[in-house]
This record gives sequence, C-alpha cells and structure tokens, in this order.
Amino acid sequence: NAGVTQTPKFRVLKTGQSMTLLCAQDMNHEYMYWYRQDPGMGLRLIHYSVGEGTTAKGEVPDGYNVSRLKKQNFLLGLESAAPSQTSVYFCASTRPGQGVSPLHFGNGTRLTVT
Amino acid sequence: AQRVTQPEKLLSVFKGAPVELKCNYSYSGSPELFWYVQYSRQRLQLLLRHISRESIKGFTADLNKGETSFHLKKPFAQEEDSAMYYCALSGGINNDYKLSFGAGTTVTVRA
Repeated sequence: NAGVTQTPKFRVLKTGQSMTLLCAQDMNHEYMYWYRQDPGMGLRLIHYSVGEGTTAKGEVPDGYNVSRLKKQNFLLGLESAAPSQTSVYFCASTRPGQGVSPLHFGNGTRLTVT
Repeated sequence: AQRVTQPEKLLSVFKGAPVELKCNYSYSGSPELFWYVQYSRQRLQLLLRHISRESIKGFTADLNKGETSFHLKKPFAQEEDSAMYYCALSGGINNDYKLSFGAGTTVTVRA
C-alpha cells in the first residue's frame, strides 16, 4: 500500500515549456486535490476532483489544467510554464463520508521554472 | 468563505520548554479543524483532528468556538518536534472536504 505517489520528484523547466505532474493513489479514494506550497503562504488549492471524470477549480487555478480519467490518477498540467509557477506541488486524496475525512498527501514535486 | 490565520511564522523554544502554536479561523458553518506537520523535506502528515480529542506525540489542541481558535500545545518540547506546522480547516461534505491552510509556523527546538 503505497498511499499517494507523485512523479516526478523534481523538475526544472524553462519559461514556456509544458509538463504534466502525475498523482496516483491506491486507497480507492474518491476525492483528489492539487495544492501548491509557497513560503509564507501555506498551501493553496489549485484544482480538485470529487470523482472519476470530474474536476473543479480551487483557489489558484490559472495557468493549470487537470484531468481525472481514472479514479486512481489525477494529472496536473502546465501548458506554458512561468517563473511564478516555481513551487512545491502536493497531491492529496480522501474518502468522503464517515465523519472527519483527513487528507492523505504525496511527497511533493519540486518545480523550478527559469 | 473559510480562512485560517497562524500569526507566528517562526517559533524557537528550548528543549523541555512548553510550546504553543496559535491558530484562529473564520467559517460560517461548523468547521472541522486539523493540525498537519511537515518534517524537513517530507510530506505533510496529519497530527491532530479536533473531533478526536486525542494527544499525539504529546501535542493537544482544543477547539474554542467562542474565540474561533484551535491552538496547538505541548508542555515539554523535544528536538524531534522541529518542523513546519500547519493549521487547516475543512467545511466537510458541504465544501467537498477542501482544506484551507494557514501560512504555517516553523518550530525550532534548541538543545
């Protein structure tokens, strides 16, 4: 049981390049989330999904797209990277219902855009 | 709207001293409050949830709805407690279980 796995762990992009971050979870969770972590700002929600085939915008969605074609995978795409997207990206998942549902996080992807 | 405020960015204490991390929130409904901890270059881990009323690694947190606070406390800090701590709020099913995080408090415990 690996939990939430993110790939890659590190990436350096040049401005204008594109890339996709992959999040995979093996806990059969319905809900998945992408956050970015920046110093002094905590974690901010980019996009999320409440089930296979669904996506929704979070607090800071501009410049990102997501897809949830399979229940276990949640992809985050950057079509044209900008230096402002230099950050650490965390994926998380949870199962709805049964009262409190804490989020389970991946190890993060450290992205630098030059 | 849901909002979480952690007023202290940095907190430095000596080993064996008490430590308290402040967290205040605003939310119109009935919130679910959490504390997450992130050790150096690791993933965020759930430390406490208010509904469980438990003590984890010596830490406790009490939800005070009157003061809209959820402060984290530990009577005797240890060096291994050095980490980043995030207070987080969830609106539960009404808000798709989305978590709103505070800016975080970096705790350094000195020997």
